[in-house]
Amino acid sequence: DTEVTQTPKHLVMGMTNKKSLKCEQHMGHRAMYWYKQKAKKPPELMFVYSYEKLSINESVPSRFSPECPNSSLLNLHLHALQPEDSALYLCASSRGFGTGGFQPQHFGDGTRLSIL
Amino acid sequence: QQQVKQSPQSLIVQKGGIPIINCAYENTAFDYFPWYQQFPGKGPALLIAIRPDVSEKKEGRFTISFNKSAKQFSLHIMDSQPGDSATYFCAANDDKIIFGKGTRLHILP
Repeated sequence: DTEVTQTPKHLVMGMTNKKSLKCEQHMGHRAMYWYKQKAKKPPELMFVYSYEKLSINESVPSRFSPECPNSSLLNLHLHALQPEDSALYLCASSRGFGTGGFQPQHFGDGTRLSIL
Repeated sequence: QQQVKQSPQSLIVQKGGIPIINCAYENTAFDYFPWYQQFPGKGPALLIAIRPDVSEKKEGRFTISFNKSAKQFSLHIMDSQPGDSATYFCAANDDKIIFGKGTRLHILP
């Protein structure tokens, strides 16, 4: 069983809808990540939070809005998405970020998002 | 600009064979080289990781070989099983994970 829990597992939404993806971890990790993964491609980093503050935004369109309410939770708010945004959205966490050395990232099983 | 190059794109091996996946990198600032395994419908899971000052690392049936001078590293799976069928990503760590494009491995029963 994965230690990073993502909900929902599947989401279908129209281009005018507003929805949110949720991610939760209870490993005491202080860094959390959002990735986007298209079929047969590697994960692409979207956002990094470190100690609940946004550290990296990989030039992600503003229709994706991340939020880190506390050290265990990470949300991704979605609004006015495009069909090309259909993908698997993965959340990950690690002990730290930017602290030197290797901080293994633990991935959730993702939310499969389909935009109609 | 692809910072980690991975080959082959796909690989089919008979059960018991030794699949080999190769990767190459350019940036010598990378400090760790992890491998991730991803099954369909699941997120990637860390399989094994190696530092650039180590030439080989084994964990169970999985072995990483690392050639620092050539800036290349590879994954060998000993006595491969159908349950090893998955997509494998090599990667390089620079705070962020830089993934290779992935290898879809199929082990025939």
